[in-house]
Amino acid sequence: QSALTQPPSASGSPGQSVTISCTGTSSDVGGYNYVSWYQQHPGKAPKLMIYEVSKRPSGVPDRFSGSKSGNTASLTVSGLQAEDEADYYCSSYAGSNILFGGGTKLTVL
Amino acid sequence: QITLKESGPTLVKPTQTLTLTCTFSGFSLSTSGVGVGWIRQPPGKALEWLALIYWDDDKRYSPSLKSRLTITKDTSKNQVVLTMTNMDPVDTATYYCALSSRNWFDPWGQGTLVTVSS
Repeated sequence: QSALTQPPSASGSPGQSVTISCTGTSSDVGGYNYVSWYQQHPGKAPKLMIYEVSKRPSGVPDRFSGSKSGNTASLTVSGLQAEDEADYYCSSYAGSNILFGGGTKLTVL
Repeated sequence: QITLKESGPTLVKPTQTLTLTCTFSGFSLSTSGVGVGWIRQPPGKALEWLALIYWDDDKRYSPSLKSRLTITKDTSKNQVVLTMTNMDPVDTATYYCALSSRNWFDPWGQGTLVTVSS
């Protein structure tokens, strides 16, 4: 199975909203409600931001939200802040294994 | 507080077998629903899921690497061990272990960089 498809880059100004897409197939993103999103700052371990498509772990700001339509999941960051600049990875359960996306570098202008 | 930490060699030679240990605290791998996974990240590249072991000893592997991977657990020591055979320079990466609950990972260990070179 191939990795999930994410745009390599995204950007927005402070205070704006940005949405990052994650496209898979009916065998992964479209077939299960087990899409998760991770934030990774340079030199740091990934941090869970969204699980089960749209749920936020305790401590994650409500500026981060997730959704899914068909085979595409999305992460929206509202009210962009400088500290949101990072790499973002989506992930999906795929039946008997787990897939990650290629990652999106979010730049806060 | 849940913590995980990876340990193992920082340098391995091509064709050698890599053995990594994930030592964790704050949870038990004998608790129903709990799993520990391994994920790697080559320098400057994306995350890649490798393997996952559950509380009931169910094991899952990346299809593309299945022939080279073995994951085991030692519940009494709070450890999970990943072995990868026939290492190649393309396997150079930071290797992470993470707590898995229902197919997501949280939290992650700090990661350990493994370089494959002669």
